[in-house]
Amino acid sequence: DQQVKQNSPSLSVQEGRISILNCDYTNSMFDYFLWYKKYPAEGPTFLISISSIKDKNEDGRFTVFLNKSAKHLSLHIVPSQPGDSAVYFCAASGEAGGTSYGKLTFGQGTILTVHP
Amino acid sequence: DTEVTQTPKHLVMGMTNKKSLKCEQHMGHRAMYWYKQKAKKPPELMFVYSYEKLSINESVPSRFSPECPNSSLLNLHLHALQPEDSALYLCASSQRGGLHNEQFFGPGTRLTVL
Repeated sequence: DQQVKQNSPSLSVQEGRISILNCDYTNSMFDYFLWYKKYPAEGPTFLISISSIKDKNEDGRFTVFLNKSAKHLSLHIVPSQPGDSAVYFCAASGEAGGTSYGKLTFGQGTILTVHP
Repeated sequence: DTEVTQTPKHLVMGMTNKKSLKCEQHMGHRAMYWYKQKAKKPPELMFVYSYEKLSINESVPSRFSPECPNSSLLNLHLHALQPEDSALYLCASSQRGGLHNEQFFGPGTRLTVL
């Protein structure tokens, strides 16, 4: 049972345009969400997070939107740059499954390619 | 110092070998984690240490044995592994355990079991 889903395996965007990466979750006990970026042969790098008490969080070019009723979050990158090309994982934490303490559940990842 | 370091970067071992993976952070974080990541899959949590005590073991086989000697160090001892254990092993740390803490990852150890 995949509790965090990223349905688009890949996304291709032109430099300067907006990249929108989507993530859906099924467990309503999740209440904290994070986005990570991962380059090949490196560990995931934390980008931005959002608590369920908010519906938007912004940090520079990155904005995360949360729609709790739809159990959906998205990451917007504006403007997109070639250096943003990487795999993006969304992750969720909360008292899902009774193990709350420090457990992140990751989506499958979306490969973003930004073309010059 | 804002990074998590892991050694070695690559490790090849036979099924009868004993080896250890090491992780270190100097950010004053009090929670540390081991994850396993197979190719084209998301990271999967193995263990969580909070304040040097094991708080989560995600039903990991006993051939993987974690150890947290102090708040900055985390080891993963490996013994009698199987070829299917070949994966990228990621260490992470966060300011403390609990729900709302960003986890910061190291670069990983690429493990190959022959």
